[in-house]
Amino acid sequence: EAGVTQSPTHLIKTRGQQATLRCSPISGHTSVYWYQQALGLGLQFLLWYDEGEERNRGNFPPRFSGRQFPNYSSELNVNALELEDSALYLCASSHGPGAGTDTQYFGPGTRLTVL
Amino acid sequence: AQSVAQPEDQVNVAEGNPLTVKCTYSVSGNPYLFWYVQYPNRGLQFLLKYITGDNLVKGSYGFEAEFNKSQTSFHLKKPSALVSDSALYFCAVRGGGYQKVTFGTGTKLQVIP
Repeated sequence: EAGVTQSPTHLIKTRGQQATLRCSPISGHTSVYWYQQALGLGLQFLLWYDEGEERNRGNFPPRFSGRQFPNYSSELNVNALELEDSALYLCASSHGPGAGTDTQYFGPGTRLTVL
Repeated sequence: AQSVAQPEDQVNVAEGNPLTVKCTYSVSGNPYLFWYVQYPNRGLQFLLKYITGDNLVKGSYGFEAEFNKSQTSFHLKKPSALVSDSALYFCAVRGGGYQKVTFGTGTKLQVIP
């Protein structure tokens, strides 16, 4: 069974640009989560999508946004990039919370560098 | 608000000795508790979880964790540490419904040969 995949592996942008990160969940999973892992700051929750809807959002500004497509894949968009947005962005997927088996499985991440 | 505390930034243990990585939590209602491991420059790998039932949960790679409701703890343990266990370990908790998962800050485990 294929795991969670993310693209691109690395992304280099300059301040003020926009970045788009993509995630494909494990087949059968309806939930997708996005996390930011900046150096020394642990995992910070960004967004949670389930069945195409945004279910929860972390304490990030509105320039962090995303969406989930009908095939349950997801995009994370970061507008007006700032230097402090440089981090590893991790995507995870799971069954929906009602399933009782909503263990999150993580992808390898996208390393975003803002210059 | 729910929270997770991993009080030790780093734990050092000699190879072959038992290891413990500590985690305490705060959440409304019944907790869902998880442990993950992260190797350098890689995503997180699921180790084990507690949902309900037996307080001692067994997981991957010989790891286990003990749920203690009165102490609101979920410590990760292994009877005999391997050098290959050296990695960053994260504890996580969530409540029911669409409550988000909250991760601890991580504990770096160093197993010394």
